Formats: sequence, C-alpha cells, structure tokens
Amino acid sequence: DGGITQSPKYLFRKEGQNVTLSCEQNLNHDAMYWYRQDPGQGLRLIYYSQIVNDFQKGDIAEGYSVSREKKESFPLTVTSAQKNPTAFYLCASSMGTPDKADEQYFGPGTRLTVT
Amino acid sequence: GQNIDQPTEMTATEGAIVQINCTYQTSGFNGLFWYQQHAGEAPTFLSYNVLDGLEEKGRFSSFLSRSKGYSYLLLKELQMKDSASYLCAALDSNYQLIWGAGTKLIIKP
Repeated sequence: DGGITQSPKYLFRKEGQNVTLSCEQNLNHDAMYWYRQDPGQGLRLIYYSQIVNDFQKGDIAEGYSVSREKKESFPLTVTSAQKNPTAFYLCASSMGTPDKADEQYFGPGTRLTVT
Repeated sequence: GQNIDQPTEMTATEGAIVQINCTYQTSGFNGLFWYQQHAGEAPTFLSYNVLDGLEEKGRFSSFLSRSKGYSYLLLKELQMKDSASYLCAALDSNYQLIWGAGTKLIIKP
C-alpha cells in the first residue's frame, strides 16, 4: 500500500527544545514538501526538496531545518529559534516532473504543541 | 503580490447543490487545484484545471476562467460526509503552489 506516513500524530514539547518530525513515502516520488497549517490560513511552505541531497527554503523557513539523505525520507526539525512553533505540520510528495503540474499527496499530519 | 481568495465558511443542506468560489492573482499561471480536507486530516486531491471550462467528476465539478482569474467547485447531491474544508491552490509561473485559506463547508440535514 503506497503512501506517506508522518509520526507521531500528536507531539508535545517544552519551549527551548528542538523537535524532529518524521515523513516517509513509498510512492517513489522525487519531490517532497513541508507545510505548516494554522487556523484561518492557507498552507504555508516551509521547505521543499526536488531531489535527494538538495532542498530549498519555502516562504517561512526561519527556525526550521530539513535533510534529504534518502529519497523516501524528509525529516523536519523545529528548532528553538522558531518563535511560534505550535501548529499542524503536513508533509507532501509529488512526482516532481519539471515544469509540470503534479498532484501533491499528503501525509496525515503532525500536530505539534509547544508550551 | 500573489493571492488566493475564497469564502471562509459556507452552509448548505443535505441533497442540495453548493458552489465554492475562488479568485486568484499569481505571477503567471499553470493551473488550479482543488483539495478536500476533513478536520484534522490530510488534504486529498479533487481536481485540476488548466484550460477554461467545466470539468465534471461524479458529484463534483470544477470550473476555470483564466481571463477572470476565477474558479469554482460545484458539489451536487450533498451528503453529510461532504462536510469539510475545500482548499483552492494556484500554480504560479515557477510551478509553486499558492494556497487559499480554505472554505469550511457545513452540511445540515
């Protein structure tokens, strides 16, 4: 069964701690994305990767870091520098065909609460 | 700047028809997506339009007018399970997705 998994579904952290959210896909997709979703706002792009060992900042990358060492995996670290980290985080992937409108497939999301 | 506008919330009755509008302003345009998102879950793909006109897919149809920067999602024979948020997203000239805030659709019996 192909898809994207994110774990955990709910995560609680104390302020000042770094936390890593996992994202794994077995769709053989080249491109992967991290979004943040806040109430009343559209999805905002944090980072994206079009190929292994390469990634680019999205619109709100400050306070976040990523790695793409394997095609299947794109973990996101929320650092203590992120001023308002409590949010719903969504990971997505797509075929990543250049200059083509590929549908994005989403994972179930991780709801992070920092107190 | 780039912008997507859609209504925040809509209410409709089970069995009826509802139209959710979306207007967009982007740097270039390479198509428009509609996604459905149930509360606390992942968005799922509904439709993609790049040419003007109406595309029908079962109870759901999506329309695009490129000259007006306008799209709508039409849902027919509404069912309670259609209660969800509907996200409009436009692809700009760099093939980056610009997302709207979503329209929360409430279905009443």
